[in-house]
Amino acid sequence: DAGVTQSPTHLIKTRGQQVTLRCSPKSGHDTVSWYQQALGQGPQFIFQYYEEEERQRGNFPDRFSGHQFPNYSSELNVNALLLGDSALYLCASSFSPSGGGETQYFGPGTRLLVL
Amino acid sequence: AQSVTQPDIHITVSEGASLELRCNYSYGATPYLFWYVQSPGQGLQLLLKYFSGDTLVQGIKGFEAEFKRSQSSFNLRKPSVHWSDAAEYFCAVGVSGGYQKVTFGTGTKLQVIP
Repeated sequence: DAGVTQSPTHLIKTRGQQVTLRCSPKSGHDTVSWYQQALGQGPQFIFQYYEEEERQRGNFPDRFSGHQFPNYSSELNVNALLLGDSALYLCASSFSPSGGGETQYFGPGTRLLVL
Repeated sequence: AQSVTQPDIHITVSEGASLELRCNYSYGATPYLFWYVQSPGQGLQLLLKYFSGDTLVQGIKGFEAEFKRSQSSFNLRKPSVHWSDAAEYFCAVGVSGGYQKVTFGTGTKLQVIP
């Protein structure tokens, strides 16, 4: 059983560009959450997708957007990249029968460097 | 809103010694609590979790954690540390009865010396 997978593993962009990161959840999971982890920090919640809708959002600007597909996979898009967007982007999946407290399983992350 | 404090940024222990990593949380109701471990350049691996019931929780790799409501703490322990335990450890709190927004602490980096 494959766990959470993310692509690409590494990415280099320049300021002002746009980037798309991809995530495939663990088999049987229907919820995908995205986190940003800056160097030396804990992961910060960006948003969560369930049933193809964004149902929670952290304190991130509208430059950060996402999508969930019918097969539960997800994309994270970041527009107008800033140097401060350089970070490890983590995807986590879970199963949400009741909408609360279920364990999230993390992928290996995509490391984004903005020059 | 919930929050997590990990007061120790960096801890060094000798191989074979015992380990305790501290975690304090802030949340108005019964929290969901997690400990994750992250090796350099890797994603997060779940060590253990507490939802309810027995306040002493056993996890993988010989780790355990104890939920103490009176102290708002969820400290991680291991009786004998191995060199392979060197990594960064994150405590996290989730919201009960709601969606799975999880708030992480800033992490404790563990160094193991021979």
